[in-house]
Amino acid sequence: DTAVSQTPKYLVTQMGNDKSIKCEQNLGHDTMYWYKQDSKKFLKIMFSYNNKELIINETVPNRFSPKSPDKAHLNLHINSLELGDSAVYFCASSQDGNRGPYEQYFGPGTRLTVT
Amino acid sequence: RKEVEQDPGPFNVPEGATVAFNCTYSNSASQSFFWYRQDCRKEPKLLMSVYSSGNEDGRFTAQLNRASQYISLLIRDSKLSDSATYLCVVIPGSYKAAGNKLTFGGGTRVLVKP
Repeated sequence: DTAVSQTPKYLVTQMGNDKSIKCEQNLGHDTMYWYKQDSKKFLKIMFSYNNKELIINETVPNRFSPKSPDKAHLNLHINSLELGDSAVYFCASSQDGNRGPYEQYFGPGTRLTVT
Repeated sequence: RKEVEQDPGPFNVPEGATVAFNCTYSNSASQSFFWYRQDCRKEPKLLMSVYSSGNEDGRFTAQLNRASQYISLLIRDSKLSDSATYLCVVIPGSYKAAGNKLTFGGGTRVLVKP
């Protein structure tokens, strides 16, 4: 009964490959987010979706493409992986972000290592 | 200047002692403030929201100083289990304009020792 789940937990891949990370929440939330935590531990927002609609799209290379098939899922696809993409990627969800500064619940993270 | 700045620490705290630390934010229009806690190799979790009047949750007290644009966290009677990184989080501007976007500080590491 995990609230926000991500798969895989660890991902080791070579430069140039394409990979996807999946996120699912069973909290009935309307808004989902992707964050990146780099080696210096800074957490930065990448994207957010509200009811399948893209709300936030930070300055992220267009090799990163989020997809929300329904409001319980937000997947992240990364093309042509680069060494600098190595980081921990966290998915999060909250109640409707347009209606309030609601608490965000984070998934356990996906540790991506690009070699 | 970073949007949210914190002293990275670590703050080495004897068990039972009190520790306090601040963070500063740059966007004076910010209205929503939080402290999240992140354990090593784990996800961040909300510790508490920070209200204008200040608020307390058990051993934890948060304060907001709008004039000087900083928020603080005080931990009383520190427990070993309080060892973690404390993340100062701000929604820049209004939550609606910002899309509920959380802006994180780099975190303050606290180590509570016996």
